[in-house]
Parts: sequence; structure tokens; C-alpha cells
Amino acid sequence: GENVEQHPSTLSVQEGDSAVIKCTYSDSASNYFPWYKQELGKRPQLIIDIRSNVGEKKDQRIAVTLNKTAKHFSLHITETQPEDSAVYFCAALYNFNKFYFGSGTKLNVKP
Amino acid sequence: EAGVAQSPRYKIIEKRQSVAFWCNPISGHATLYWYQQILGQGPKLLIQFQNNGVVDDSQLPKDRFSAERLKGVDSTLKIQPAKLEDSAVYLCASSLEAFGEKLFFGSGTQLSVL
Repeated sequence: GENVEQHPSTLSVQEGDSAVIKCTYSDSASNYFPWYKQELGKRPQLIIDIRSNVGEKKDQRIAVTLNKTAKHFSLHITETQPEDSAVYFCAALYNFNKFYFGSGTKLNVKP
Repeated sequence: EAGVAQSPRYKIIEKRQSVAFWCNPISGHATLYWYQQILGQGPKLLIQFQNNGVVDDSQLPKDRFSAERLKGVDSTLKIQPAKLEDSAVYLCASSLEAFGEKLFFGSGTQLSVL
């Protein structure tokens, strides 16, 4: 199976600073890596994803990088805003149909 | 498009009681998932359906949990009898394709077992 580890568990940044969350996965067969944002009491929502044949993907202030050799991928948020405060989960798609989630990172953006 | 619907939103029961959750996926989505999210942890897959067939239920505690997806649309997840450690948010998700990548989550049912 797959094992996804996520760090840090909590992250506090000042508004306008950058935030980076890292995940590692164990199975090289995993080929799709989404990131979800979950605000308090709300459903997880997909914010960005990356496939194994791509090294980096960017969407406005959010970017994801993938290092297949090292089996890790990272979420980068630039120019953070208070509304970015939430729990962020990484995930890896294993064997084409099984998602394994990281344990989550609680991001606090201080105004 | 309408999202994944779940009910109830909250449920409080005593241990050894039974409880059922309902999920209505996005119309046309073939794959439906039930996840358990314990406070402070990431979602853990309980069961995955492809239409009305079970794809993966390896992490479902079958002595107390059961799930069905009749007619390949709505699904129910049942716990009987509940234990204290079942307190969690139960998330339903769906995806369009058989090996769908983009998961769409419902708002979840927060279960408290006292």
C-alpha cells in the first residue's frame, strides 16, 4: 500500500509571507497528487493537483512541486492572506483508484 | 452543479446504539467513497463503490460497519453497535470516472459517541 507523511502539522505565518507544506509518499506507483483545503466545519476542497509526469504546477498564488526521485511533493502559497487559514491535506493516488491522505497541516495566517 | 449531499450534519448517540448516514453523490458520478476523519487526522478510506459494486472495503470494520449503494446512486453507511472510538466526521465523496481522480466531498456527518 501507500503511506503519506505530511509536515508540519501546524504552521503560523504573517500575512504576506510564504507558506510551504511538504509531503512524502512511499510507493513509486502513485501517479497523482492533489491538495485539499478544509476550512473549519466545511468540506475538503481541491485547490491544486499535479500528475507524476509534471514537475511543477502553478495557479495564481498557489503552486505544487513534485520530486519523483525523492518521492516528495510540496504546496507553496505566496503572499498569504487571512482567508488562507485552514487545514491543508495532501494525498497520493495509488494503484489508480486508492487515495491516501496526509495527516493535515493547520495553517494560521496572522493579519 | 449540485454537490455531494450528506445527512444528518450532526449526530450524538450513546455507545452500543446504532446510527446511519446517508449520501447522495453528484449526478452521474460512478464512484462513491466513505471516509472516516478523526479529529486531527487525514481522511481514512472505509469503503469504495464503483456503481453499486464494492471496489475496496479492506479498512471497513465489518463486525460493526456496513454500507450499501443500491441502484448505484445513493449510499448509506451504518454503525451497529457504536463504540466511543467511532467518534469522527464521516465524509462521503464521489468522482466521475471509474478510476476518477478529482474527488468531490460532501460536508460530512459529525458523529459523537458518548
